[in-house]
Amino acid sequence: NAGVTQTPKFRILKIGQSMTLQCTQDMNHNYMYWYRQDPGMGLKLIYYSVGAGITDKGEVPNGYNVSRSTTEDFPLRLELAAPSQTSVYFCASSPPGGESYEQYFGPGTRLTVT
Amino acid sequence: AQKITQTQPGMFVQEKEAVTLDCTYDTSDPSYGLFWYKQPSSGEMIFLIYQGSYDQQNATEGRYSLNFQKARKSANLVISASQLGDSAMYFCAMRRIQGAQKLVFGQGTRLTINP
Repeated sequence: NAGVTQTPKFRILKIGQSMTLQCTQDMNHNYMYWYRQDPGMGLKLIYYSVGAGITDKGEVPNGYNVSRSTTEDFPLRLELAAPSQTSVYFCASSPPGGESYEQYFGPGTRLTVT
Repeated sequence: AQKITQTQPGMFVQEKEAVTLDCTYDTSDPSYGLFWYKQPSSGEMIFLIYQGSYDQQNATEGRYSLNFQKARKSANLVISASQLGDSAMYFCAMRRIQGAQKLVFGQGTRLTINP
């Protein structure tokens, strides 16, 4: 049981390049999330999904796109990378409904845009 | 909208002492959950403790307890008998009980345990 896995662990992008951050969970969780963490700050929600085919914007969605074709995978797409997108990106998942205590976080992807 | 405020950017504590990390929140939701996560220097997010807004008793998990004062909208984390391994960033977070479980995080407190 791997939990939430993210690839790559590190990436350096040039301004204007694009990339996809991969996220996979093997816990059959309906809910999945993408957060970003800027240096010295807390996490902010980029996008989330409540199930395959359903996604919605979080607090800071500009410059990103997501898709959810399967329960397991929730990739995050960066189009036209900008220095402001330099951050650590965390994917998380949780089971649905009611009071499920915690979100399960992946190890993070550290992205630098120069 | 929900908001979490952590007013202590850094805390320094001697090993074996107890430490309280402050967290205040703001929400108009009648039901909500409060969380504390630990982020060590390795970067992963480690869940520590959860408190539901309607729970009558304060949550406890081993050396961690959550001092929940609903009227004051505070959810402070208390770590008893601190250890060197407790040195890390600590984040308070909250979410609505119903619907998608989107977490709102505070800015964090960096805790350093001195030997």
